[in-house]
Amino acid sequence: AQKVTQAQTEISVVEKEDVTLDCVYETRDTTYYLFWYKQPPSGELVFLIRRNSFDEQNEISGRYSWNFQKSTSSFNFTITASQVVDSAVYFCALTGTGGSYIPTFGRGTSLIVHP
Amino acid sequence: DTAVSQTPKYLVTQMGNDKSIKCEQNLGHDTMYWYKQDSKKFLKIMFSYNNKELIINETVPNRFSPKSPDKAHLNLHINSLELGDSAVYFCASSHLNNEQYFGPGTRLTVT
Repeated sequence: AQKVTQAQTEISVVEKEDVTLDCVYETRDTTYYLFWYKQPPSGELVFLIRRNSFDEQNEISGRYSWNFQKSTSSFNFTITASQVVDSAVYFCALTGTGGSYIPTFGRGTSLIVHP
Repeated sequence: DTAVSQTPKYLVTQMGNDKSIKCEQNLGHDTMYWYKQDSKKFLKIMFSYNNKELIINETVPNRFSPKSPDKAHLNLHINSLELGDSAVYFCASSHLNNEQYFGPGTRLTVT
C-alpha cells in the first residue's frame, strides 16, 4: 500500500523567511512518481512539479526548490524568501506503477506567510 | 481556453435529491478523475477513468456513479444526497501516471 505523510499540518512564517515543507512516502513499487501541488485560498489546485523515481536530481525553479532523497523516502519542498502570495495549502502526492494507478495524496501542509 | 472545466461551480440542494456534476477537459489527456475534498482539505480519490474505462473505484457509496461518454468528459451523478456529501468535488485529468490538472471545483452543500 502507498502512503504519503506530511507531518507539518500548519507552518507560519514571516515574509522573506525560508521554509521547508516535508514529505515522506512509502511504496513497494520500484518505479513511481512524486508530485507537489499548491492550493491557494482561492481554492484551485495547481501542479508544481513531478519527479520520477529514477531521477534524484534536485530541482530549482525561481524561489522554489525540491530535494528528492530515495534513501530517506523524502521529497521536500523549500521556498526561499517566502512571500505572502505563497500562502496556500501544499500537497505532496505519489503514483505507483505496480498495477494500481491510485494517486495517493498527503493531508497537506498549510503555509501562512505573514507580511 | 479553460483546460479542465466543471459545472456547476456551486450546488445547493436538499437531502434526498439527485444531482449531477459535469467535467470536461480539452488537454487531450487519456485519464480523468473525481476527488472529494472535505472541510479539513483532505483529498480523497473517488473514481478514475482511463480511455473511458473505469480503473479506480474507491470505497464510495454506490449512490455515486461516474459516467464517461468519451475521453474528454467525466460526469458524476449522485443519488439520494445526504448531509455528509457536502464537500468540494474536483475533477482532474492527466496522461496516466503524469501530473494532474484540476478543474475549479464544485462546492456542494446539502441542506
